[in-house]
Amino acid sequence: QKEVEQNSGPLSVPEGAIASLNCTYSDRGSQSFFWYRQYSGKSPELIMSIYSNGDKEDGRFTAQLNKASQYVSLLIRDSQPSDSATYLCAGGDSSNTGKLIFGQGTTLQVKP
Amino acid sequence: DADVTQTPRNRITKTGKRIMLECSQTKGHDRMYWYRQDPGLGLRLIYYSFDVKDINKGEISDGYSVSRQAQAKFSLSLESAIPNQTALYFCATSDASGGETQYFGPGTRLLVL
Repeated sequence: QKEVEQNSGPLSVPEGAIASLNCTYSDRGSQSFFWYRQYSGKSPELIMSIYSNGDKEDGRFTAQLNKASQYVSLLIRDSQPSDSATYLCAGGDSSNTGKLIFGQGTTLQVKP
Repeated sequence: DADVTQTPRNRITKTGKRIMLECSQTKGHDRMYWYRQDPGLGLRLIYYSFDVKDINKGEISDGYSVSRQAQAKFSLSLESAIPNQTALYFCATSDASGGETQYFGPGTRLLVL
């Protein structure tokens, strides 16, 4: 069974620090990966997508992909209390383009 | 106006009742999905549809059915609701030409007594 694994947390960081969120996936053929942010009781919101090995930066967010290690990460620089949320990692299903496999999410707490 | 809407936003029902959750989108996307979310379990796929004539079961389809009435509308039905179907339900859409990025509706919170 194809899986995406995340540490459920909570991950607690002080305001202004770098938060590092990690994700591993089992589908070696997966080509696309996504990070969603979800505030409590709200819907998931796309933050980043990444398709190639290496880093992709967007403002305070950097996604990192290592296909050889089947590892995806999200770095949040200068963390703010408003970043406190659950972060969902998702990978594309290589056998069914259009389907995503979601991890269970990591809860991030940024303390003032 | 929101691109993906879900109705109702909250619903309380009783065991054995039939209930329908509706999803509409104005994004023009051809693909639509239904997920449920339970605490600690992430998002689990119930059904998905890649166009009006294409309906597929996801990982947890038992006890659910769907209808794709039009490209923009995808409804989820619980034929006979049971308490363990209490959850947060999300509809999502994606565009076949735009990769696999999915966009989510606001969710329906369902309580089955």
